[in-house]
Amino acid sequence: ETGVTQSPTHLIKTRGQQVTLRCSSQSGHNTVSWYQQALGQGPQFIFQYYREEENGRGNFPPRFSGLQFPNYSSELNVNALELDDSALYLCAIGDSKYNEQFFGPGTRLTVL
Amino acid sequence: QKEVEQDPGPLSVPEGAIVSLNCTYSNSAFQYFMWYRQYSRKGPELLMYTYSSGNKEDGRFTAQVDKSSKYISLFIRDSQPSDSATYLCAMTRNTGGFKTIFGAGTRLFVKA
Repeated sequence: ETGVTQSPTHLIKTRGQQVTLRCSSQSGHNTVSWYQQALGQGPQFIFQYYREEENGRGNFPPRFSGLQFPNYSSELNVNALELDDSALYLCAIGDSKYNEQFFGPGTRLTVL
Repeated sequence: QKEVEQDPGPLSVPEGAIVSLNCTYSNSAFQYFMWYRQYSRKGPELLMYTYSSGNKEDGRFTAQVDKSSKYISLFIRDSQPSDSATYLCAMTRNTGGFKTIFGAGTRLFVKA
């Protein structure tokens, strides 16, 4: 068990809506990263937060945004949902020094 | 050319076989190399983490990194049916901002 929890487990939204996904951990890892995993694909890096600031970003548009809180929990916000946003969203905690990452179970988002 | 190439399989082997999984990558800026195991509808689980070229062993798992050839491997000895999963290679860099890329994953089936 990684001690990383994500909520909700499943979510159904319609195109154009906005969604907020949440991630929390029991330990004090100082980085949190978010990934999008489409069916049959590897995870795609969205962004990483370190000390509450964005520390790196993949090829995702600005409608994907995030927050990291002082208690190391995090949120992923996606605005103006599109059908292609349907995927498993994973958060991963880590340490900036070692670059290892430990994943949560994910939130499965379906956009209709 | 993709930044990382991984044969999606599926790869089917008998119980007890030695399994070899591989990835190639194109960007020499990547510094850290990981292998994850992912069961269906679960988050990826970190198996191996390496930094330098060479071998790293942990139980039945051996990870190899050849930075000069941009080639990484995972070997599984005495494979078990419980090893049946998707194996994902991943690599990160922390210069100019954090970035992680994953391979598409190789589906492995170990037959009893």
